[in-house]
Amino acid sequence: QKEVEQNSGPLSVPEGAIASLNCTYSDRGSQSFFWYRQYSGKSPELIMSIYSNGDKEDGRFTAQLNKASQYVSLLIRDSQPSDSATYLCAVYGSSNTGKLIFGQGTTLQVKP
Amino acid sequence: EPEVTQTPSHQVTQMGQEVILRCVPISNHLYFYWYRQILGQKVEFLVSFYNNEISEKSEIFDDQFSVERPDGSNFTLKIRSTKLEDSAMYFCASTSGGVFYGYTFGSGTRLTVV
Repeated sequence: QKEVEQNSGPLSVPEGAIASLNCTYSDRGSQSFFWYRQYSGKSPELIMSIYSNGDKEDGRFTAQLNKASQYVSLLIRDSQPSDSATYLCAVYGSSNTGKLIFGQGTTLQVKP
Repeated sequence: EPEVTQTPSHQVTQMGQEVILRCVPISNHLYFYWYRQILGQKVEFLVSFYNNEISEKSEIFDDQFSVERPDGSNFTLKIRSTKLEDSAMYFCASTSGGVFYGYTFGSGTRLTVV
């Protein structure tokens, strides 16, 4: 069974701090990795994608990938109360059908 | 920005009834998916659809479920005889294809089976 694991949280950070969210995956053949943000009662919204080892930055967000350790992370700099949401890690496995496997999500609370 | 549209936003149905959930994917996308999320749980894969046929389905997607793309734009999920445990948020998603593209999700249909 291919799995994606996240700490469910909640992760609580003060406004302006860096939030660090982590994810591990079991399928070594996984090729692409995504972070989605989900507000309560809403659908997932794609915020970052990463395919190669290392860091990828987009505004206040940085995704980090280490395929040897099967580890993906998301850093949110200068966290804002509007960043309070559940962050879902998703992985394209080795299947060629494009199926995304989701972790259970980490709830982030940014306190003003 | 192109959107994936889902209707209805909320459906209440009696156990044993048939429901059809509708989706209009982004027009130039080729790959279509249904996922569900039971309240408080993870987003779970149901089925993937490409070139007018199912490419993969999960264990959840049993004989009670079916998908169709009847007219080249709509993409539907039918549940023939709903059970209480089918109550969930159902999300349609589409992508242009390739492992480097994430999905665009629709806003979801909340299905409540009573």
